[in-house]
Amino acid sequence: AQSVTQLDSQVPVFEEAPVELRCNYSSSVSVYLFWYVQYPNQGLQLLLKYLSGSTLVKGINGFEAEFNKSQTSFHLRKPSVHISDTAEYFCAVRNSGYSTLTFGKGTMLLVSP
Amino acid sequence: DADVTQTPRNRITKTGKRIMLECSQTKGHDRMYWYRQDPGLGLRLIYYSFDVKDINKGEISDGYSVSRQAQAKFSLSLESAIPNQTALYFCATTAGTSAYNEQFFGPGTRLTVL
Repeated sequence: AQSVTQLDSQVPVFEEAPVELRCNYSSSVSVYLFWYVQYPNQGLQLLLKYLSGSTLVKGINGFEAEFNKSQTSFHLRKPSVHISDTAEYFCAVRNSGYSTLTFGKGTMLLVSP
Repeated sequence: DADVTQTPRNRITKTGKRIMLECSQTKGHDRMYWYRQDPGLGLRLIYYSFDVKDINKGEISDGYSVSRQAQAKFSLSLESAIPNQTALYFCATTAGTSAYNEQFFGPGTRLTVL
């Protein structure tokens, strides 16, 4: 069965600093990976996804992620964060048969001035 | 207008009460999902439905039931609510079986069971 580990529950960072949110996965089948963002009091929205092809995936709001098969990782990065990036970020893996997602426990990104 | 709506947005109820959370979507998607979110636990799948005649249990279905009244409507019921069902509940939809299809989430229902 697929699983996702987000190693950091909270990541505090200053505005305009770079950030990396870590995600490791376990999957016995073809891997399809996603990053979702949840702003305060809102539902989740898709940031980016890896299905195949280039291992560097670009998403919305300046975020990107790199798929690393040998390290079973899909870390999310942004070179310069803004206050408005404060949110909870979830990594997810699609389960076999494409029917459901397994989510990680989330990483709260706290951006301060 | 929002594509995926949930009602109510907030609900406080007492232990033992029956409660229904409703989800409607205007995206024309055939697949719908119910998740619960607890602090530090992420999202966990309760039930999912591929069409009105296809209902499947998720990771944590005990204590919950669902009804797919139409393609656009998917309701979650707590037959006898208990305090550890206090959580944020999300409905989501997706189209078809392709891995390219993202899930679209509603705004959530915050449920408190006293």
